[in-house]
Amino acid sequence: QSVLTQPPSVSGTPGQRVTISCSGGRSNIGLNYVYWYQQLPGKAPKVVISTNDQRPSGVPDRFSGSSSGTSASLAISGLRSEDEADYHCAVWDDRLTGWVFGGGTKLTVL
Amino acid sequence: QLQESGPGLVKPSETLSLTCTISGGSFSTFYWSWIRRPPGKGLEWIGYINATGRTIYNPSLRSRVMISVDTSRNQFSLKLSSVAAADTAIYYCAKHNYGGNSVFDHWGQGTPVTVSS
Repeated sequence: QSVLTQPPSVSGTPGQRVTISCSGGRSNIGLNYVYWYQQLPGKAPKVVISTNDQRPSGVPDRFSGSSSGTSASLAISGLRSEDEADYHCAVWDDRLTGWVFGGGTKLTVL
Repeated sequence: QLQESGPGLVKPSETLSLTCTISGGSFSTFYWSWIRRPPGKGLEWIGYINATGRTIYNPSLRSRVMISVDTSRNQFSLKLSSVAAADTAIYYCAKHNYGGNSVFDHWGQGTPVTVSS
């Protein structure tokens, strides 16, 4: 069981907006930055959101992130077929003194 | 670039050994992690090491894990002892700038490891 809680799956149609939640606690999301990784089938994860809400160079502005209290979320607007992937949230946990990940969310574009 | 290498099949109760080779960049000043993804599950951080050899391990794996570094070869390695079927996963190495609160900005392609007799 993961320290961070994500929905196992979300889905949407092309052009729609979807959000993926990541729920944690005071020792992780409550104190530290959240990172979001996209993992395409058979590929290594790639960061799409850094330090809660920053998009690295090359990531479309359709991707956005936010964090408040002990929860964070990733939003993808203007959904495209190439967004179909697993998405993972990650954050440093001060109590565990280590990185923790969510269980991952499978995004399906219908 | 990061590249994992090691056996793809390990017997139960034996030790899993993997190496990550870094090319095209400096080994020093950064942190280097091992992360795995079991089939059907999310990512799990195993531990990290920096160029001075300082390590931090996932508390749930600490009793079985050792990460070491060979700066002369630009490599760092993972040893996981007493493996069981639950250790079957794709294992990734990744680079980050600090121990915590920093992005894993470069990843290896991942290497699958199966624990089976």
